[in-house]
Order: sequence, then structure tokens, then C-alpha cells
Amino acid sequence: QKEVEQDPGPLSVPEGAIVSLNCTYSNSAFQYFMWYRQYSRKGPELLMYTYSSGNKEDGRFTAQVDKSSKYISLFIRDSQPSDSATYLCASDNYGQNFVFGPGTRLSVLP
Amino acid sequence: EAQVTQNPRYLITVTGKKLTVTCSQNMNHEYMSWYRQDPGLGLRQIYYSMNVEVTDKGDVPEGYKVSRKEKRNFPLILESPSPNQTSLYFCASSGQGEAFFGQGTRLTVV
Repeated sequence: QKEVEQDPGPLSVPEGAIVSLNCTYSNSAFQYFMWYRQYSRKGPELLMYTYSSGNKEDGRFTAQVDKSSKYISLFIRDSQPSDSATYLCASDNYGQNFVFGPGTRLSVLP
Repeated sequence: EAQVTQNPRYLITVTGKKLTVTCSQNMNHEYMSWYRQDPGLGLRQIYYSMNVEVTDKGDVPEGYKVSRKEKRNFPLILESPSPNQTSLYFCASSGQGEAFFGQGTRLTVV
């Protein structure tokens, strides 16, 4: 079993939709959780990170961590075509050596 | 501005010709790592370094070498590249629960 699992998609939604991206992880010692956005032919860029359980909001993006079920979510409100990218989740217990999910490819259609 | 700089961005080489991909970070992070990204396989860690002169193998270290003589630099060395090392490579620097990636090096070995 991979330490971080993620549905690779692709996921297509209409512009303005609420997008829900999800990951599960297996290591109960993980404390740090991150979401990255990667455009084609570019390096991953950090979107959000959270420590331990709870929610974190930044503009149209909300990250949720449920440690009891080992579930990580990223919600995108009012999705835009510019949000079309691959989204990667990552987790770690010490905040340095992150394990990445395979990424979900998202397309937001105008 | 937090930055991870990789060079070159693109490289085409022949089998067996030694090459080095450089990576430099300006965040004074102790932790640096190299990943390769292949379609359907996501990011796979090649090597990581927890500090100067401290390096260790990741998930796919075969055919690669690294060195960490200075905190800011973490070059990736392919002593005798082979076609199965054709991939997109990313250097990352991490600390305080965040990891930053370089823009990537697209390597083709013919």
C-alpha cells in the first residue's frame, strides 16, 4: 500500500463549480499536510499547508485534514479555467521528507 | 524571495556520458531532495540530504549520485546515463513544514 493515495482523475468541472480533491494516507505519525498545484511543464508550487487536524482557508481554497480517518481534502470554490492543473497532496511527520500522492489532473471548462 | 534554482532546464545527452544537474536554494534549509516525475508514477524521491555531508537514498536511487558540500547546493550526478533515466527531474528544499521546488530539468537520454 502506498503511503499517500490519490485518485489520478482526470476530473473535469464547469467554471464556477466547487471542486473537491481528496487524498488518504496510511502513516498515523504524519503531522504535516500540503497541497501543491502543478501546471504543465512547471515545478509544483505550494498552495497550502496545515499542521495536524483542522481546516485552513486561503481565498477560494480550503484545506481540511481529518486525522481520525487519515483523509486530506482540498476544496476550490468558484473554480476558474486558470485552476486547471495537476494537484498533488503530500504528508510527513517531521515537516521535511514529504511523501507525495500521484496527483489529480483537474480541468475547469469555460 | 524563496527560490530553488535548477540548471539546466532542458538536456539531451547520449548514453554513458556523465552529467550533473545543479540545484541551489536561498532559504537556508537543511533538508534538500531530488525527485523524478514520470507519467502515471508521480513524484518519486531519488536522494535526500538532511544537512551538509549527510545524504541518503530515496525510493529510486539506482544510477544516481548526489553530494552536499555546502548547505545551499545539492547537485544530482548521473555517472553513466541510460535511456530509462529519461524523465523530468525536480530539486526540492524543505523546512518548517513547507517544501519548495525548482522549475524542473527535462532530461532525455538517447
